[in-house]
Amino acid sequence: AQRVTQPEKLLSVFKGAPVELKCNYSYSGSPELFWYVQYSRQRLQLLLRHISRESIKGFTADLNKGETSFHLKKPFAQEEDSAMYYCALEGGADGLTFGKGTHLIIQP
Amino acid sequence: ETGVTQSPTHLIKTRGQQVTLRCSSQSGHNTVSWYQQALGQGPQFIFQYYREEENGRGNFPPRFSGLQFPNYSSELNVNALELDDSALYLCASSLDGASSYEQYFGPGTRLTVT
Repeated sequence: AQRVTQPEKLLSVFKGAPVELKCNYSYSGSPELFWYVQYSRQRLQLLLRHISRESIKGFTADLNKGETSFHLKKPFAQEEDSAMYYCALEGGADGLTFGKGTHLIIQP
Repeated sequence: ETGVTQSPTHLIKTRGQQVTLRCSSQSGHNTVSWYQQALGQGPQFIFQYYREEENGRGNFPPRFSGLQFPNYSSELNVNALELDDSALYLCASSLDGASSYEQYFGPGTRLTVT
């Protein structure tokens, strides 16, 4: 069965510091992976997907098939990055499988 | 462009009752997915509808059922409610039946079962 693991429930960093949100997955096929974000009082929205290989709001994520990881990184955190972040795996007819989420807090 | 809307925002039901939740897809989207999000958890896939047909289903019992209408709006029905059904129910719309397309989420319906 496919599974997504986000080991950190809460991550607190200072403004300007680097950020890394960890995501590991378990999937027998070729995965399609996403990061979704939910800012305070807003709905869940797509941040980025691995197939597009782009940087959104300064965030990047590289798929490492050997380590089955898709960690989200940003070199310099900003206060507006504070939010709930979910890693998700697309499994065909099984829809999106989400991790439990990491609450990122950027301290001033 | 109209975003995804859901109704009602909140509701409270008693164990054993039935409930219907509604979702209106984003303009131009023909696929809708439903998720259950328990407190402190990530969203869990219930099922997906593509052009009025069920296109995939997660690990939920048959008392969770759905419908998609010709205008691509959708309903989630839950029969014989249990206390563990208390959760936030999210719907998300996308294009062409594939979860790999960006999913646009609604604000959710908060269901409390007492």
